[in-house]
Amino acid sequence: AQSVSQHNHHVILSEAASLELGCNYSYGGTVNLFWYVQYPGQHLQLLLKYFSGDPLVKGIKGFEAEFIKSKFSFNLRKPSVQWSDTAEYFCAVILFSGGYNKLIFGAGTRLAVHP
Amino acid sequence: SQTIHQWPATLVQPVGSPLSLECTVEGTSNPNLYWYRQAAGRGLQLLFYSVGIGQISSEVPQNLSASRPQDRQFILSSKKLLLSDSGFYLCAWSESPWQSYLNTEAFFGQGTRLTVV
Repeated sequence: AQSVSQHNHHVILSEAASLELGCNYSYGGTVNLFWYVQYPGQHLQLLLKYFSGDPLVKGIKGFEAEFIKSKFSFNLRKPSVQWSDTAEYFCAVILFSGGYNKLIFGAGTRLAVHP
Repeated sequence: SQTIHQWPATLVQPVGSPLSLECTVEGTSNPNLYWYRQAAGRGLQLLFYSVGIGQISSEVPQNLSASRPQDRQFILSSKKLLLSDSGFYLCAWSESPWQSYLNTEAFFGQGTRLTVV
């Protein structure tokens, strides 16, 4: 079955630490890939997206992600986190199959950044 | 430009009562439409998606149903709500592959916070 897996459910970091959140998907066809962030009490916000081309994608707020097709992965990174990055992060994939596409999400990773 | 409307924003319903949440999209045609539920600690779970009028795919067995009576209207319903139906419900749309040429993203409504009491 098609799925998106986020390896870490909870991550705790200190400010200035580096961040890497894992995301893997199970689907052999064409995909578009996304990372969303949800700050406490707020709606989903798109961090970055990958459609095609350069597998290293830069997004807002200093985030970047790398698509590794052979590993079916799209990990999110940030070199130095800030307290304001405390939020829940969702990896999402649009799968293309025949005449439709379907958007599915990972279960999310809660990031807490301590000053 | 395209917009998506979802209502109501909040809803408190007693157990056993019916439910109808509505989502409409403007500024596009033949969108793919989705209903998600976000329950505490469980991420965004895809409930239903639709590629056209009357075409509904259910992702998980549950107490809910969906309908698409018009091209840009997507309705989430229940005949009798359960306590476990409480959560945050999110409608979304994306372009069909024929429109997007395989480059597409999703756009979300503001969500409905449903509390079943």
